[in-house]
Amino acid sequence: DSGVTQTPKHLITATGQRVTLRCSPRSGDLSVYWYQQSLDQGLQFLIHYYNGEERAKGNILERFSAQQFPDLHSELNLSSLELGDSALYFCASSGQGVVGEKLFFGSGTQLSVL
Amino acid sequence: GESVGLHLPTLSVQEGDNSIINCAYSNSASDYFIWYKQESGKGPQFIIDIRSNMDKRQGQRVTVLLNKTVKHLSLQIAATQPGDSAVYFCAENRAAGYQKVTFGTGTKLQVIP
Repeated sequence: DSGVTQTPKHLITATGQRVTLRCSPRSGDLSVYWYQQSLDQGLQFLIHYYNGEERAKGNILERFSAQQFPDLHSELNLSSLELGDSALYFCASSGQGVVGEKLFFGSGTQLSVL
Repeated sequence: GESVGLHLPTLSVQEGDNSIINCAYSNSASDYFIWYKQESGKGPQFIIDIRSNMDKRQGQRVTVLLNKTVKHLSLQIAATQPGDSAVYFCAENRAAGYQKVTFGTGTKLQVIP
């Protein structure tokens, strides 16, 4: 158990809808990262938050947004969903978010857009 | 552009043999390289890392080799066990600032009993 909690584990929705994925980092970790993993693809970095502030951005679509709350949990919001958004979404956390820290990953949220 | 990629999508190894998983990267500015293991239904798990000022680092049954000249990274697993069956990702990180870990496509390791 990595200590990172993601909910829900599975999510099935329709095109055009909006969903929210939730992540609770390991106790004491201030940084949260979101990754998207599509079938047969690697992990695509989406965004990194540190203590409530955005620190780095990857290839995150404009339809996607994220935030980190004062209690350090994070939410990834996906809107106007398309079939191609179906993927496994991972959250990871680390202490300070600096280079060299290990990332601890949650078990992911499997999103299916029908 | 920046990329971290893997040479082989699938690797089959006999139990007890050594496994070698390769990875190429293109960003010369990368300072830090990491290997992660992802078992079915789970999130990636850290295995071992190496800084760009090193060319070899050993862990328990695993060794990472870094060749900066040809921008190549490899993970060697000694005496491969069935529990090593997973997808292995190499990843790279920037030299400065906050983390932005970029992962490669992954290599699936299948251990044949």
